[in-house]
Amino acid sequence: GENVEQHPSTLSVQEGDSAVIKCTYSDSASNYFPWYKQELGKRPQLIIDIRSNVGEKKDQRIAVTLNKTAKHFSLHITETQPEDSAVYFCAVLKAAGNKLTFGGGTRVLVKP
Amino acid sequence: GAVVSQHPSWVICKSGTSVKIECRSLDFQATTMFWYRQFPKQSLMLMATSNEGSKATYEQGVEKDKFLINHASLTLSTLTVTSAHPEDSSFYICSRRETTDTQYFGPGTRLTVL
Repeated sequence: GENVEQHPSTLSVQEGDSAVIKCTYSDSASNYFPWYKQELGKRPQLIIDIRSNVGEKKDQRIAVTLNKTAKHFSLHITETQPEDSAVYFCAVLKAAGNKLTFGGGTRVLVKP
Repeated sequence: GAVVSQHPSWVICKSGTSVKIECRSLDFQATTMFWYRQFPKQSLMLMATSNEGSKATYEQGVEKDKFLINHASLTLSTLTVTSAHPEDSSFYICSRRETTDTQYFGPGTRLTVL
């Protein structure tokens, strides 16, 4: 089955700095890569996603890059704000499959 | 706004009792819904795929007789934790998938078994 590794597990940044989280996956047939943000006790919220036919996608301060050859993708948050503090999960969906496999999560703390 | 709802949001029960959790797709007829379990400070682990009108598909290691799933309509899936024990205490979250592969999650149900 699919194996998704996410690093780092915790990330502390100063407000205004950038944060980068990386995920690697094992199945080259995977074709959909979403990122979720989860605040304590709440549901995971989709913040950005990318498909395997695209190398980069940006939405305001958030961007995702995908390297299919190396089988890794990264979340980039620029100009971080305290409200960006949360746990972020990457996930991977295999083509023709139904199931998302999640990374272990990254706890991001943005210090004012 | 929320597209998936869950009820209850939290429940406390005694060991040995059964608990039913409802998951509703509010704006989309979902033939497939998913049930996840999340222990504190851990990731989401898929328990089973709920299929409307047919049996659920369980992930390896998940007891189908303990976690009963019913998906009787296109907008409602239920998860019943039977004979709950303290180790079943967790955050249970459902989701539904759109044709675009995007999954939207419910708000979760925190189960505490005493």
